[in-house]
Amino acid sequence: AQSVTQLDSQVPVFEEAPVELRCNYSSSVSVYLFWYVQYPNQGLQLLLKYLSGSTLVKGINGFEAEFNKSQTSFHLRKPSVHISDTAEYFCAVSAYGGATNKLIFGTGTLLAVQP
Amino acid sequence: KAGVTQTPRYLIKTRGQQVTLSCSPISGHRSVSWYQQTPGQGLQFLFEYFSETQRNKGNFPGRFSGRQFSNSRSEMNVSTLELGDSALYLCASRGYVDTGELFFGEGSRLTVL
Repeated sequence: AQSVTQLDSQVPVFEEAPVELRCNYSSSVSVYLFWYVQYPNQGLQLLLKYLSGSTLVKGINGFEAEFNKSQTSFHLRKPSVHISDTAEYFCAVSAYGGATNKLIFGTGTLLAVQP
Repeated sequence: KAGVTQTPRYLIKTRGQQVTLSCSPISGHRSVSWYQQTPGQGLQFLFEYFSETQRNKGNFPGRFSGRQFSNSRSEMNVSTLELGDSALYLCASRGYVDTGELFFGEGSRLTVL
């Protein structure tokens, strides 16, 4: 079984500052990794995904994440945040292969960008 | 290409009633998953349907059920509603490549009074 840990429930940051949202996962098999963003009263939107290949993954809105297999981490970063980045961010994992794999989510990190 | 469509967006029910939520996946997607989102429990997997068959189920009581139709549209039903069923119910569909990537609708927000 897989599990995801997002240690920070809330991350306050000033506009134009860099930010890192942490995600660690646990799995006995190879995994696919995802970051989703949720704006108020909306569904989840895919930010980026790691399926294979380069461990540095670039996504939408200037976000990127690095897959670190030895540390079982997939931290999300942005060099300069904007007010509009205020939202809840979810890390998720699914097992490699198989037609019945499901997405397991972390508890989310609220990114609060202040002017 | 239209996204995942969920109806209704908002609804209010009282304890003991039942509710049916609807989800239309992205055209061509045959898999539909349902998640419950609450402030206390976060995102919890309810079930997944593929080609009208349930192929995965989360840890929810039997009051929660679902089905999928031949056009891939899905419904979920909650019977004998409890206050704790108040939540945002999210539907998601996936394409042919089983990487686990999901495309979400905007959700149906259920309030149980």
